[in-house]
Amino acid sequence: DAGVTQSPTHLIKTRGQQVTLRCSPKSGHDTVSWYQQALGQGPQFIFQYYEEEERQRGNFPDRFSGHQFPNYSSELNVNALLLGDSALYLCASSLVGGGAKNIQYFGAGTRLSVL
Amino acid sequence: AQSVTQPDIHITVSEGASLELRCNYSYGATPYLFWYVQSPGQGLQLLLKYFSGDTLVQGIKGFEAEFKRSQSSFNLRKPSVHWSDAAEYFCAVGAGNTNAGKSTFGDGTTLTVKP
Repeated sequence: DAGVTQSPTHLIKTRGQQVTLRCSPKSGHDTVSWYQQALGQGPQFIFQYYEEEERQRGNFPDRFSGHQFPNYSSELNVNALLLGDSALYLCASSLVGGGAKNIQYFGAGTRLSVL
Repeated sequence: AQSVTQPDIHITVSEGASLELRCNYSYGATPYLFWYVQSPGQGLQLLLKYFSGDTLVQGIKGFEAEFKRSQSSFNLRKPSVHWSDAAEYFCAVGAGNTNAGKSTFGDGTTLTVKP
């Protein structure tokens, strides 16, 4: 049973560029959430996708956008990169609903460095 | 708004000693609470979770946590620490049935284990 997979592992971009990060959820999961983890901090919620729609969004600007595909995989896009966007980006998958379904499984993350 | 505070940024314990990591949360209803561990360059691994019922929950790797509603705390404990437990530990609070997958994290506690 494959867990959550993210690609690429590492990425180096320059200010002003655009980047796309990818995530495949754990088998059987239908919900994907994205988090940004800056150095020395806990993960911060960016947004969540379910049924190919953005269901919730954290306090992130519109430069951050996403997409979910029919196979439940997801992309995170960041436009006009800033130095402050340098972080570990984590994808988490889960099943919609409460109780035991509200457990997120995390991928290993994509380390983005903006120069 | 939900929030999590981990008062200890860094804790050092000797191998074989007991461990307690503190976590305080703020949440308007009955919270879903989690502890995760993160090794350098890795994603988050779920150690244990509290949804309801018994306030003392057991997790993997010999960890346990106790939910105390009156103190808004969910402290993580281990009776005897192993060198391999050295890592970053994150406490998180999740929403209930309507917001599966969204969690708010603390800024983490770094655990160093002395031989």
